[in-house]
Amino acid sequence: DTAVSQTPKYLVTQMGNDKSIKCEQNLGHDTMYWYKQDSKKFLKIMFSYNNKELIINETVPNRFSPKSPDKAHLNLHINSLELGDSAVYFCASSQGLAYNEQFFGPGTRLTVL
Amino acid sequence: AQSVTQPDIHITVSEGASLELRCNYSYGATPYLFWYVQSPGQGLQLLLKYFSGDTLVQGIKGFEAEFKRSQSSFNLRKPSVHWSDAAEYFCAVGGRNTDKLIFGTGTRLQVFP
Repeated sequence: DTAVSQTPKYLVTQMGNDKSIKCEQNLGHDTMYWYKQDSKKFLKIMFSYNNKELIINETVPNRFSPKSPDKAHLNLHINSLELGDSAVYFCASSQGLAYNEQFFGPGTRLTVL
Repeated sequence: AQSVTQPDIHITVSEGASLELRCNYSYGATPYLFWYVQSPGQGLQLLLKYFSGDTLVQGIKGFEAEFKRSQSSFNLRKPSVHWSDAAEYFCAVGGRNTDKLIFGTGTRLQVFP
């Protein structure tokens, strides 16, 4: 009965490949997020969706494309992976705006070789 | 510019000692302030939040934080640290009409027996 789940937990891939990370929440929330945490633990928002609509799109390369098939899911597809994409990617959800509590998934550690 | 500063990258305390983690923010509107904790290999969990009212807020796991508007600070405290408190702690700021939280760079807490 995990609240926010992500798959896979670990992802190791070669430069130039395309990969996807999936996120699901069973909290009934209407807002979902993708964050990137770099090697220095700095956490930065990438995207936010509210009711399947994109509402935050930070300065993220267009190789990153989020997709929200429904309110409970927010997937992240990354094309042409680069070394600098190596990081931990966190999915989160909240009810309404970000000032409500955000619930985070366990993270996906992406390593690009 | 909106930002959060956590001046201490790494803090080490003995079990049973008191703890204070510092957080300073810069925000153009009325700030909503948060402390999140990240245990190793886990996602972030909300410890406490401040929106308005009493400037001393209580959170989970025996933590509290005090909002000081004049100092633009929101320091986290715990009177007696337990070994299980060893983790990374993140301060974050948001606002009423924003969907984005801005996180600090985190403070890593190490607890010695």
